[in-house]
Amino acid sequence: QQQVKQSPQSLIVQKGGISIINCAYENTAFDYFPWYQQFPGKGPALLIAIRPDVSEKKEGRFTISFNKSAKQFSLHIMDSQPGDSATYFCAASMGITGGGNKLTFGTGTQLKVEL
Amino acid sequence: EPEVTQTPSHQVTQMGQEVILRCVPISNHLYFYWYRQILGQKVEFLVSFYNNEISEKSEIFDDQFSVERPDGSNFTLKIRSTKLEDSAMYFCASSTRGIQPQHFGDGTRLSIL
Repeated sequence: QQQVKQSPQSLIVQKGGISIINCAYENTAFDYFPWYQQFPGKGPALLIAIRPDVSEKKEGRFTISFNKSAKQFSLHIMDSQPGDSATYFCAASMGITGGGNKLTFGTGTQLKVEL
Repeated sequence: EPEVTQTPSHQVTQMGQEVILRCVPISNHLYFYWYRQILGQKVEFLVSFYNNEISEKSEIFDDQFSVERPDGSNFTLKIRSTKLEDSAMYFCASSTRGIQPQHFGDGTRLSIL
């Protein structure tokens, strides 16, 4: 029930195209859903995040769509660029009092944007 | 922009030896975390730390693991007797509050021989 399922495992998109990565979760106690971008040899970097009180959040070319009833959320990268080629992880956590909130990560999607 | 710093970037250790991985979280952050990523796999939570004590730990974080904040800036992960399966990237993260976002360091690659 703690798992976050992510698809696809890998994705090839043409420059200028739209990249779409999907995630699904089971635990309805999750209330924070970030996306992280990871380049080889680097740590995950927060890209964009959403809470379940909104259905969509947009920051520049990156948009999260959130479907609470379906327990699914997705990342859309508009006008994909070669510099977007990286591994993308969705994650989820739940709000608790006191100590920090662990992130449960999806399995990752390797995105390659071709010229 | 402030960042989480981890040292060393790569640590090679013989099986059975103790290893200490070091992290300097972002200075005004209060919550600290360790995660690991086995090559090609997802990032997995190990432990969270707040107010000088462990808040939560995963099944991976057994008696061989410990964490410490020895001074006002460092946060360390110790593995007492390393095993081959401890080989992974270890990431430190920190946040201002328990509620996100968490900022990650670039990791320490731990190789157990």
